[in-house]
Amino acid sequence: SQTIHQWPATLVQPVGSPLSLECTVEGTSNPNLYWYRQAAGRGLQLLFYSVGIGQISSEVPQNLSASRPQDRQFILSSKKLLLSDSGFYLCAWSFHRGTEAFFGQGTRLTVV
Amino acid sequence: SQKIEQNSEALNIQEGKTATLTCNYTNYSPAYLQWYRQDPGRGPVFLLLIRENEKEKRKERLKVTFDTTLKQSLFHITASQPADSATYLCALVFYGGSQGNLIFGKGTKLSVKP
Repeated sequence: SQTIHQWPATLVQPVGSPLSLECTVEGTSNPNLYWYRQAAGRGLQLLFYSVGIGQISSEVPQNLSASRPQDRQFILSSKKLLLSDSGFYLCAWSFHRGTEAFFGQGTRLTVV
Repeated sequence: SQKIEQNSEALNIQEGKTATLTCNYTNYSPAYLQWYRQDPGRGPVFLLLIRENEKEKRKERLKVTFDTTLKQSLFHITASQPADSATYLCALVFYGGSQGNLIFGKGTKLSVKP
C-alpha cells in the first residue's frame, strides 16, 4: 500500500532563516505531488505541483520554492522566511491530476 | 476566477440527525467534485468523488449530490455521530485553468452533540 511521510510535524523558525520541508511517498511510482498551505481561517492554497522529476509548477508567486530531486521526494524551501510564511503546510500525492489526493500529516510552521 | 463557497463555517447538530453541508461554485462547472474530512492538526482524508455527469454518489452513511444547474453540491451524513465531528472540505477540479488541480473551499466545521 502507499504511504506518505512528511516532516517535521512542527517547526519554529526566526524571520530571515531558511526552510526545508521534506515529503516522501512510498508504494507507488511517478505520483503527482503537491504542496499546500493552510493559514488560519483560510482554505487550502495550492503552492506547487509536480508531475515528474524536476518538473515543478508554481500556482502562487511567493517567497517559497519547490524541488523534486527524486521520483517520490518533494521538497519545499525558502531562503529567507517571512512572518507571513507561518501556516500549516501539507504535502499530498495522487495517481493522476484531479483524482483523489492523499495527504501527509502536515507541518505546523511558526515564523517568529 | 473560480470561487468556491461552503455554506457556513460551522454547523451544530444533534446526534442521530442528518447533517447537510453545501458547496457552491461560480463560473465554470468542474470536471469532478470531491469531499474530504479534516481533523484538527491533521491532513485531509478523502471521502467521496462525484463526476460532472453523476447526480448522486453514496458510501455507507454518506451521500453527495451534484447539481450543475444550481452549481452546487450537497454532502449528507445520515444518523450522525459525535465521531463525525470534524471539518469537511469540498474540492473541485476544473478543465483548463489550473489544469486539473484540486481547488479547495474553506471548509465547514461540523459538531455533532450527543
